[in-house]
Amino acid sequence: DVKVTQSSRYLVKRTGEKVFLECVQDMDHENMFWYRQDPGLGLRLIYFSYDVKMKEKGDIPEGYSVSREKKERFSLILESASTNQTSMYLCASSYGWGQGSEQYFGPGTRLTVT
Amino acid sequence: AQTVTQSQPEMSVQEAETVTLSCTYDTSESDYYLFWYKQPPSRQMILVIRQEAYKQQNATENRFSVNFQKAAKSFSLKISDSQLGDAAMYFCAYRNYGGSQGNLIFGKGTKLSVKP
Repeated sequence: DVKVTQSSRYLVKRTGEKVFLECVQDMDHENMFWYRQDPGLGLRLIYFSYDVKMKEKGDIPEGYSVSREKKERFSLILESASTNQTSMYLCASSYGWGQGSEQYFGPGTRLTVT
Repeated sequence: AQTVTQSQPEMSVQEAETVTLSCTYDTSESDYYLFWYKQPPSRQMILVIRQEAYKQQNATENRFSVNFQKAAKSFSLKISDSQLGDAAMYFCAYRNYGGSQGNLIFGKGTKLSVKP
């Protein structure tokens, strides 16, 4: 089975801190994604990566950056955390864009910024 | 830009009965994929069912089936013989066919409760 893991289930940070959210997948997937999930808003794409060192902005990239140095790992970085970044963050991965490219999700990280 | 709309924020169904969750989408593309994802409370999101737009036949996975109406841009999910384990948030999602723009666009979700 595909496994997508995220470094923390719950995280509490202070305003202005630099925050790293880590995601690892074990199925050699090319594509990895970071979403933000808020009640009533569904999932919104922050960034995605289709190859090592490649990244593209999603719908809401402001205030975030990403890093993909290895194929299996995709990091989301909050350079200076703010209270409006309190949210659930979901990582996902997929193999290619074709018919079989279901996205597999991690368990999520619930981030609280105080 | 493509959009996905789920007009039912919450739904409720009696155990063993059938429920239908609605989803409409907007796109100018002719080739695309549609998905229903399930997110149980405090658990990972998983794929329930997938439909390719070029296929006229509605997808079915055990108790889950879809009613895909391409002209109407409608993609509803029917859950038959509902079980307590079906209680979850359900998200409808759209994806263009291939290319770097093949990202998922999600609806806002429908919270399904199952009554024993």
